Amino acid sequence: EDQVTQSPEALRLQEGESSSLNCSYTVSGLRGLFWYRQDPGKGPEFLFTLYSAGEEKEKERLKATLTKKESFLHITAPKPEDSATYLCAVQAGAGNQFYFGTGTSLTVIP
Amino acid sequence: EPEVTQTPSHQVTQMGQEVILRCVPISNHLYFYWYRQILGQKVEFLVSFYNNEISEKSEIFDDQFSVERPDGSNFTLKIRSTKLEDSAMYFCASSPGLRWGQPQHFGDGTRLSIL
Repeated sequence: EDQVTQSPEALRLQEGESSSLNCSYTVSGLRGLFWYRQDPGKGPEFLFTLYSAGEEKEKERLKATLTKKESFLHITAPKPEDSATYLCAVQAGAGNQFYFGTGTSLTVIP
Repeated sequence: EPEVTQTPSHQVTQMGQEVILRCVPISNHLYFYWYRQILGQKVEFLVSFYNNEISEKSEIFDDQFSVERPDGSNFTLKIRSTKLEDSAMYFCASSPGLRWGQPQHFGDGTRLSIL
């Protein structure tokens, strides 16, 4: 069975304290790995797509990387406005559906 | 920037009633999806829709559920004979086209509360 696991479940950082979120996956035929940000009461907001091992994408303070078994979302010098739940999703096999992880709830304290 | 819009934002319904959740996908997108998120749990796939027919559905999407694209802009999810366990956030999403690996763009969801 395809699995997507995110860790940690929750993370509290001081403003400026860099860290990484992990998404590990066991799927057959990865088509893409996606990172989303979800604010309370809102839908997932697309951040990045990664397609193959070794690929990296950056956007402001966020950098996503991909290996054959996991992806990391690195947050450099976070600010309070980066507080949100970060979701990882994979698309695999013949279908178009996304398989989501349970997310990491990030809180950045001023 | 184009976005997916969903209405209503919150729907309260008595158990056993039927509900219709509405979505307007991004206008040039071809694939449409419904997902749900029970409070505190992961986002789960329900169904995908392409070229006016269901292309995939999960085990959750049984005979209680149906989808429709009644006109050129709306995409609806109908839930019949609602149960308490149908209470969840329901998200609509759309993606541009046929190539795998394209991101899905989500609306802000409808919170469905079954009493």
